[in-house]
Amino acid sequence: AQTVTQSQPEMSVQEAETVTLSCTYDTSESDYYLFWYKQPPSRQMILVIRQEAYKQQNATENRFSVNFQKAAKSFSLKISDSQLGDAAMYFCAYRSQNTGTASKLTFGTGTRLQVTL
Amino acid sequence: DTEVTQTPKHLVMGMTNKKSLKCEQHMGHRAMYWYKQKAKKPPELMFVYSYEKLSINESVPSRFSPECPNSSLLNLHLHALQPEDSALYLCASSQRDEENEKLFFGSGTQLSVL
Repeated sequence: AQTVTQSQPEMSVQEAETVTLSCTYDTSESDYYLFWYKQPPSRQMILVIRQEAYKQQNATENRFSVNFQKAAKSFSLKISDSQLGDAAMYFCAYRSQNTGTASKLTFGTGTRLQVTL
Repeated sequence: DTEVTQTPKHLVMGMTNKKSLKCEQHMGHRAMYWYKQKAKKPPELMFVYSYEKLSINESVPSRFSPECPNSSLLNLHLHALQPEDSALYLCASSQRDEENEKLFFGSGTQLSVL
């Protein structure tokens, strides 16, 4: 079974600064997808960024980018120019390649990000 | 319309009650999911429906009964729940149940069992 570990329960960043959230995972599979989801106080989970394991190029979405190290099984999220609206719980998630049966999304335990003025 | 709508937002029920949670999407998605999230924990998958058929049941107790009456609706029927079932119940949908698909989540139903 796959596991996802987020070793930082809480992080804090000043507005306009950059912060990196860590995520490691354990798998024996070679093809899979990795995600970062954000859960603000509204409770709705929102997809921030997605990475295909077969792609070497790191995914980017505006101020959000990842550092994907497949050999090290590491998938960190970098938030640049942090904004107050970035304050939320961030979950790293793994999903294995669909092999004909439905596959599930496995979440890490989350990192609560606080953004200060 | 890129929303997943869940009702009610909050629910308090006794252990002998029967209640239902409702989830609706009009994005044409053919996969729908129920997740359970305890406080300060990540969401845990309960059920997956793919093309209105139950494809995953993560060994959920029978007091939780899912139903997918059509491609836009997903219900979770609750009966004889226990206090430890108190949690946030999240519904999600995706185009298909594929590994690369983006999941769209609702804002959840906060359930308290007394």
